[in-house]
Amino acid sequence: GQNIDQPTEMTATEGAIVQINCTYQTSGFNGLFWYQQHAGEAPTFLSYNVLDGLEEKGRFSSFLSRSKGYSYLLLKELQMKDSASYLCAAMDSNYQLIWGAGTKLIIKP
Amino acid sequence: IAGITQAPTSQILAAGRRMTLRCTQDMRHNAMYWYRQDLGLGLRLIHYSNTAGTTGKGEVPDGYSVSRANTDDFPLTLASAVPSQTSVYFCASSDRPGQGANEQFFGPGTRLTVL
Repeated sequence: GQNIDQPTEMTATEGAIVQINCTYQTSGFNGLFWYQQHAGEAPTFLSYNVLDGLEEKGRFSSFLSRSKGYSYLLLKELQMKDSASYLCAAMDSNYQLIWGAGTKLIIKP
Repeated sequence: IAGITQAPTSQILAAGRRMTLRCTQDMRHNAMYWYRQDLGLGLRLIHYSNTAGTTGKGEVPDGYSVSRANTDDFPLTLASAVPSQTSVYFCASSDRPGQGANEQFFGPGTRLTVL
């Protein structure tokens, strides 16, 4: 079957760094997406990885290891506005997204 | 630029009633999607459309129907609502279905409660 696993909740301190992990099992693989979702709002796109390695985009970076079925989202210099849920989604062989349940990130001052 | 709009924002519905959730996008995207989001679960695909005039079933299509008469609109209909359809419904669109780097843009969601 197809499955995405990510931690339910994480807590970090303002100004610190946090890494949110995601493991995936899909029928075929066409890339890994990360989305951010603030409470009561729609998900918004953060990153896309299809090749192994690290993609950096400002304070956010995303890493992919296809052989391990593993990705992480790295958030640096955390700000209070980064408090949100972070959704991991893998694209399967039919180019459909399989979504994880999301990791709720709580930022403390 | 509105992007994707959904209506209504929220709705309380009696079980057995018919309901249509509306979704409109102004980005001329080829593909559109309907998801439901339930607490503790990931977004689950209900139906999708890769281009106007075509639709496909997602992971949880039972009890729902869609149509795609034109590029902009993608309504979702619950023929006879049941309490298990209580959820937040998101419509999304993307420009390049069938390709990997296919970012999806989401509407604001409809919160539906079926009693």
